[in-house]
Amino acid sequence: QVQLQESGPGLVKPSETLSLTCSVSGGSINNYYWSWIRQPPGKGLEWIGYIYYSGSTNYNPSLRSRVTISVDTSKSQFSLKLSSVTAADTAVYYCARKGSGWYFDFWGQGTLVTVSS
Amino acid sequence: DIQMTQSPSTLSASVGDRVTITCRASQSISSWLAWYQQKPGKAPKLLIYKASSLESGVPSRFSGSGSGTEFTLTISSLQPDDFATYFCQQYNSYPWTFGQGTKVEIK
Repeated sequence: QVQLQESGPGLVKPSETLSLTCSVSGGSINNYYWSWIRQPPGKGLEWIGYIYYSGSTNYNPSLRSRVTISVDTSKSQFSLKLSSVTAADTAVYYCARKGSGWYFDFWGQGTLVTVSS
Repeated sequence: DIQMTQSPSTLSASVGDRVTITCRASQSISSWLAWYQQKPGKAPKLLIYKASSLESGVPSRFSGSGSGTEFTLTISSLQPDDFATYFCQQYNSYPWTFGQGTKVEIK
């Protein structure tokens, strides 16, 4: 059973860069697409972007100017960087794997990131 | 972006009830819709993909239907384990978007 686990700071200061890592276990990171998705408190889910194991990416246009997703296949990890954060970026951040279609068949538990000084 | 609107936002039901949740898309998404279940503090769980295909291991009391702009998730006989939040996701076009969720509560 594939398992995903997010890790990273739970508190980030405004204007700084949010950095999270997703560790994949129980299956290979190769040959799959991997996404980041977030959910602000009390709000709906927002897809942030994806990366293929080979390194190709696609981002949500609403965040594209601030987002970078990278992958390290040797560590079975992929990462999210979101720059110039504001309070509006406070959310639970999930990592997830693309299924046979563009839906998500495995998700991490999520990690709350609060943007505050 | 395609807007996904779920109704109701909250639903109160009893064990054994038949429950239906609706998801409407702001434009046609063919059958490119998934449904997820989420419990507090837990990872979302895929239930249905391609509008009506049941994910492996998901109980058969869950079913999905619809195409175009209107979709439904039905739980034929609500079980105690089913009290959770459900949300839909379209994957017809970028960026992928989600509904705001429907919380199924104990009546």
